Amino acid sequence: DAGVIQSPRHEVTEMGQEVTLRCKPISGHNSLFWYRQTMMRGLELLIYFNNNVPIDDSGMPEDRFSAKMPNASFSTLKIQPSEPRDSAVYFCASTRDRQETQYFGPGTRLLVL
Amino acid sequence: AQSVTQPDIHITVSEGASLELRCNYSYGATPYLFWYVQSPGQGLQLLLKYFSGDTLVQGIKGFEAEFKRSQSSFNLRKPSVHWSDAAEYFCAVGPETDKLIFGTGTRLQVFP
Repeated sequence: DAGVIQSPRHEVTEMGQEVTLRCKPISGHNSLFWYRQTMMRGLELLIYFNNNVPIDDSGMPEDRFSAKMPNASFSTLKIQPSEPRDSAVYFCASTRDRQETQYFGPGTRLLVL
Repeated sequence: AQSVTQPDIHITVSEGASLELRCNYSYGATPYLFWYVQSPGQGLQLLLKYFSGDTLVQGIKGFEAEFKRSQSSFNLRKPSVHWSDAAEYFCAVGPETDKLIFGTGTRLQVFP
């Protein structure tokens, strides 16, 4: 069974450009999480969805960040416009229900120049 | 407020030596506790978890952890470290699994 799939694995862009990160959760999982990892702040939860509905977006840093989950098998995290301080590794994770383990994808390494 | 503290930023051990990584948490109720490992350039992989029951939890790769409520700790142990264990280790706590709070991580280096 495939794990959590993220694309792209690496993204280099210029300040001001729009960036879209993609995630496909494990089939049958109904919760999806977006995290950001930086040296300074560690691993931070940005937003999570349950049954495609955003439950908690309190970790989203500002309005430049948005996330969607149009169906159970796909989610996007969009940054518009991007800034150099957005450079980080962005992880997606999914879980079957609240008492199960979160499975992480390999991450997208984003560099904003 | 909920929090997780991993007091050791970096630990170095010799291959074959025993290992203990510390994790302390602050949480108002009975926590769900996790240890994850992250190899360079990879995502996080679950080593073990504690929800309830036996306070000594066995995980993958020969790791174990013990939940000590009186000390608010969930330390990770391995009796004999292998070079392939070199990675970063994260402790996490949550009310269940949907609001995990992660520690800052401990980087493990293993010398031959």
